[in-house]
Amino acid sequence: EPEVTQTPSHQVTQMGQEVILRCVPISNHLYFYWYRQILGQKVEFLVSFYNNEISEKSEIFDDQFSVERPDGSNFTLKIRSTKLEDSAMYFCASSEGLSGGTEAFFGQGTRLTVV
Amino acid sequence: DAKTTQPTSMDCAEGRAANLPCNHSTISGNEYVYWYRQIHSQGPQYIIHGLKNNETNEMASLIITEDRKSSTLILPHATLRDTAVYYCIVRVFKAAGNKLTFGGGTRVLVKP
Repeated sequence: EPEVTQTPSHQVTQMGQEVILRCVPISNHLYFYWYRQILGQKVEFLVSFYNNEISEKSEIFDDQFSVERPDGSNFTLKIRSTKLEDSAMYFCASSEGLSGGTEAFFGQGTRLTVV
Repeated sequence: DAKTTQPTSMDCAEGRAANLPCNHSTISGNEYVYWYRQIHSQGPQYIIHGLKNNETNEMASLIITEDRKSSTLILPHATLRDTAVYYCIVRVFKAAGNKLTFGGGTRVLVKP
């Protein structure tokens, strides 16, 4: 069964450093998303991406965050200068286009720890 | 997107049906009801969705009331692996992307 894969599964970084979280969405999907979940809190939407541009973003997704689809298979989330409060699980998701289902499939997440 | 209300937690006996209620009294005509679950901090997992009619797949059944103000997710034969947080989400389908707004969900504990 096709799945969304995320790497690394766990990343530890020092405050102020840049991190890039990587995702490989399901191959025929056209919509891509990033969510995060701070420990013990709700899953929060960060950004959606379609047709090589951001289609929607939340208030959390400020100038420190960026997304990119550098090639036909990867989808990345970059945090330019990490803060302690960026420590969270980050989930990538993808969904099919208009002709397919609208359900999103999630990866297993990257646990980011900022020290 | 309409707000949903779910019980905070519920227990279920292994092998029995688990019925998870969700209230969405402010739902509008073009909003779908989605159910996801999250097993112990893994990525959320899609279960089922519907608009008006009842739906069934290999995982669960979704019963939507005629007025669409509430729904019930049914896990027909709960197993220990169904222990998870279950989220009921209501949203409009949009061409530009379909973000999910997660609430607190219902923490379901399946007991032997």
